[in-house]
This record gives sequence, structure tokens and C-alpha cells, in this order.
Amino acid sequence: EAGVAQSPRYKIIEKRQSVAFWCNPISGHATLYWYQQILGQGPKLLIQFQNNGVVDDSQLPKDRFSAERLKGVDSTLKIQPAKLEDSAVYLCASRSTTDTQYFGPGTRLTVL
Amino acid sequence: SQKIEQNSEALNIQEGKTATLTCNYTNYSPAYLQWYRQDPGRGPVFLLLIRENEKEKRKERLKVTFDTTLKQSLFHITASQPADSATYLCALKGYQKVTFGTGTKLQVIP
Repeated sequence: EAGVAQSPRYKIIEKRQSVAFWCNPISGHATLYWYQQILGQGPKLLIQFQNNGVVDDSQLPKDRFSAERLKGVDSTLKIQPAKLEDSAVYLCASRSTTDTQYFGPGTRLTVL
Repeated sequence: SQKIEQNSEALNIQEGKTATLTCNYTNYSPAYLQWYRQDPGRGPVFLLLIRENEKEKRKERLKVTFDTTLKQSLFHITASQPADSATYLCALKGYQKVTFGTGTKLQVIP
């Protein structure tokens, strides 16, 4: 079974620029999550999708972050404009009918 | 406010010994608690899940206990090996979402 795919793996941008991350979950997984993990901290949930509907986006900074999951499969997370404090690893995870989350390798974002 | 606490200091143990990691929480009534392993540059990997009505769960060399009175979970790795060196995260399922702790870095010394 293929795992969760994410791209790019690394991204370096200047502050105030925009960036987008892509996630392809495990086939058949209805629930998809985006997390932000700052160095030395645990993953922080940004947004949770159930199919293509948003379940929880309470911790998503909506003035600069947006996410979509078209057709209930792939998802993109966008930051516009980026700030220095957005430097982190962005993790995508998906979940089947069990309670186990399967994580992708993450995208390491550096904002200069 | 809700809080999940894991020992932020690294845990160093000798190969062959039992490693014990702690996850304490406040202001939660978790439906379940999970433990994940995370290696540098990689996403977390699920290890074990224990539900609120379970006291203990085992999987090979791993054991998890869950004390809802103490609001604490202990994660044990018996006969530890250098390959067990990683960061271990606990995660609690609250009302709607799963929230992760900050993780504890385990170093098993040969």
C-alpha cells in the first residue's frame, strides 16, 4: 500500500512571498489532516477534512493560510503572504476507518 | 486550559534496559491515547492506541498503560536497542480532534 505523498520536500522563500504544498493521501482514506510542526514541538493541527468538507480549522490562521481538498482526494495548503514564524515542517496525514493516522514525510519550509 | 506534558529533556538509557516515557495531561477526558514514533526528517509513525476503558496494551517489546485517575500514560520499551532511538509523541483524542504532546527524545546507548 502506497503511503501519504507530499511535495515539495523542501522550500525556501522570502517573507511576504506565497507558497503551496500538495498532499496525496492513502487511497480510500476519507479523513485528511494538515499539521504544522515547529522544531522541538509536537505537530499542531491546522485543518481536518472529512472527504472534501472541513471538520476543524480552528487553529488555521485564516488571514494567510488556506486549504482545499477538491474531490475528496488530494489537498493543497497555501500560505500567502508568508511570515518568518511560518518556518516549520508541514505534515499531511490521512486516516481510514480506524483511529490510526498515517503521516507523509512532510515539507520543510524556511522563510527568510 | 488543556495541556499535554511530555518530558522535554532527552532520555538516555543503556542498551538492554527498559525505557519508560511519561505523558501527563490536564483538563482532558480523552476517548483514547496514542503513541507515535518520529525519526529526524520524517513524519510520525503510529505505534499503539489505548482506550479510556483499558489499563494496559502490549505489542512486542512495547507496553502502554493508561491511568485516567492520575491523568497519565506510561510508555515502556523493554530490552531497548539503539534502533529504538527516536522522538516519541503521545497524542490524545479529545472531543473532536487529536492533540499531540511535544515529544520526548530517547537515546539508547550501545
